[in-house]
Amino acid sequence: AQTVTQSQPEMSVQEAETVTLSCTYDTSESDYYLFWYKQPPSRQMILVIRQEAYKQQNATENRFSVNFQKAAKSFSLKISDSQLGDAAMYFCAYMYSGGGADGLTFGKGTHLIIQP
Amino acid sequence: NAGVTQTPKFRILKIGQSMTLQCTQDMNHNYMYWYRQDPGMGLKLIYYSVGAGITDKGEVPNGYNVSRSTTEDFPLRLELAAPSQTSVYFCASSYWGGKETQYFGPGTRLLVL
Repeated sequence: AQTVTQSQPEMSVQEAETVTLSCTYDTSESDYYLFWYKQPPSRQMILVIRQEAYKQQNATENRFSVNFQKAAKSFSLKISDSQLGDAAMYFCAYMYSGGGADGLTFGKGTHLIIQP
Repeated sequence: NAGVTQTPKFRILKIGQSMTLQCTQDMNHNYMYWYRQDPGMGLKLIYYSVGAGITDKGEVPNGYNVSRSTTEDFPLRLELAAPSQTSVYFCASSYWGGKETQYFGPGTRLLVL
């Protein structure tokens, strides 16, 4: 079974600075998808960014980018120019690409604090 | 579009009681999912459905049942509630599986005492 590990329970960054959240995963599959979800205090789950494992190019979405290292099974999230609204729990998630019916496998999350 | 809606938002149950958590999506999505989120943890998959009439177990299905009679609705039934079922429950949907974005509902917070 696949597992997702987020080794940083909490991270703190100054507003306007850059922060990187770590994620490693374990799978025997070669074709899969990886995601970062944001969960603010409202509890709403919001997709931040996704990466297809077959793509070598790292995904970017405005201030959010990933460093995807397939051989190392690493998938970190970089947030540039941190804003107060970025404060939230961030979850790394994995999904096998074979139909996707298995649902997402989540890590335990990283609590991101933005210092003004 | 309302997206994915869940009712109720919060509920307190006594041990042994039963209840149904409602989930409705108006995006004509084929896939629907139920997850639970325990304190300090990520979400875990309870059940999923790939279309009306088709459901299957996820990682933590014990104590729950689901049905999918329509594309829009995917209710989650708790029978004989136990304190271990205290959690926040999220429903999600996507058009297909795989890389398709899963859209989440706002969650139902359940407390079993």
